[in-house]
Amino acid sequence: DQQVKQNSPSLSVQEGRISILNCDYTNSMFDYFLWYKKYPAEGPTFLISISSIKDKNEDGRFTVFLNKSAKHLSLHIVPSQPGDSAVYFCAATFFGNEKLTFGTGTRLTIIP
Amino acid sequence: KAGVTQTPRYLIKTRGQQVTLSCSPISGHRSVSWYQQTPGQGLQFLFEYFSETQRNKGNFPGRFSGRQFSNSRSEMNVSTLELGDSALYLCASSWEGRGTDTQYFGPGTRLTVL
Repeated sequence: DQQVKQNSPSLSVQEGRISILNCDYTNSMFDYFLWYKKYPAEGPTFLISISSIKDKNEDGRFTVFLNKSAKHLSLHIVPSQPGDSAVYFCAATFFGNEKLTFGTGTRLTIIP
Repeated sequence: KAGVTQTPRYLIKTRGQQVTLSCSPISGHRSVSWYQQTPGQGLQFLFEYFSETQRNKGNFPGRFSGRQFSNSRSEMNVSTLELGDSALYLCASSWEGRGTDTQYFGPGTRLTVL
């Protein structure tokens, strides 16, 4: 039972354009969401997070939007840069829990 | 500050053997979590240790076990290896181990079972 889903395995975007990565979840208990980025041969690195009490969180070029009623979150990267090419994982948890539940990842390729 | 280190980086074993993987967390971090990454499955939670105690466990068979030492270093063990155990095993450390803490991942150990 995949509680966190990333339905697009891959995405290609022109440099300078907006990249939008999507994530859906099914467990209503999740109240904290994170995005991680992973380069080959490296571990995932934390990118940005959002609590369920907010619907938007911004950090530089990265913005995460949360739509609780649709159980959907998205990561926007503007403008996209070649160094953004990586696999992006969304993850979910709830406050007090040690476990992160990850999606299957989306491979983002930025085309110069 | 040194990051999370994992040893070995690559490992090749045959079916039926056992394997031990090691993880050294960032200095001061008391929580270590382990994840298995396979193509199409994303990262799947194995277990989490805090102050030498396992606090949470994922849906993996008993062949997967772990422990944490007093210096917060952690090991995971897989006995009676199966072909399906081939994966990238990642460990992550954080201060308190709560999912809302930022978790710092190591580069992983790539296990191949032949």
